[in-house]
Amino acid sequence: EDKVVQSPLSLVVHEGDTVTLNCSYEVTNFRSLLWYKQEKKAPTFLFMLTSSGIEKKSGRLSSILDKKELFSILNITATQTGDSAVYLCAVKGGSGNTGKLIFGQGTTLQVKP
Amino acid sequence: DTGVSQDPRHKITKRGQNVTFRCDPISEHNRLYWYRQTLGQGPEFLTYFQNEAQLEKSRLLSDRFSAERPKGSFSTLEIQRTEQGDSAMYLCASSETGLGTEAFFGQGTRLTVV
Repeated sequence: EDKVVQSPLSLVVHEGDTVTLNCSYEVTNFRSLLWYKQEKKAPTFLFMLTSSGIEKKSGRLSSILDKKELFSILNITATQTGDSAVYLCAVKGGSGNTGKLIFGQGTTLQVKP
Repeated sequence: DTGVSQDPRHKITKRGQNVTFRCDPISEHNRLYWYRQTLGQGPEFLTYFQNEAQLEKSRLLSDRFSAERPKGSFSTLEIQRTEQGDSAMYLCASSETGLGTEAFFGQGTRLTVV
């Protein structure tokens, strides 16, 4: 069965800290891995990764994919209170050619002032 | 068109009633997805449309659930004879054709069955 597992499930840090969120997967027909941020509403897109070893970066956020070891990490440096959210990892794949996403449980990040 | 729109945002219903949700995707997007999210979990795939054709349904989607996308534009998700276990956030997402594109999500409809 296809699955995506995120760790840790929750994390509390102080402003300025650096955090690393983990995502491992076992999904048939892997096509890409996506990271979303969810703040009590719609998940908003952060990154899409398709190739191993190539870092995607946007400001203080960065992510990398290892297709051999089947995992990805999301790094957030110099965290701010506005980074508090649930971070969702999703893999596009599975049976069929539909582009559906298989999500992990999410990591809840709380950044304290 | 600024994004995926869902209506209503919140719905409270009594057990046994039928409910219907609407999703308006980004206009040029051919692909439309419905997901369900319960507290503390990631979204779970329910069903997928390519234009007006429903091409995949999850085994999670019992026969009380039905979805349509007439004319390949907006979509509706109906739940008949609601149960308390149906209480969840129902998310709609759309994307362009092509596996290298990301899905954009609506704000969701939060259903509470009492």
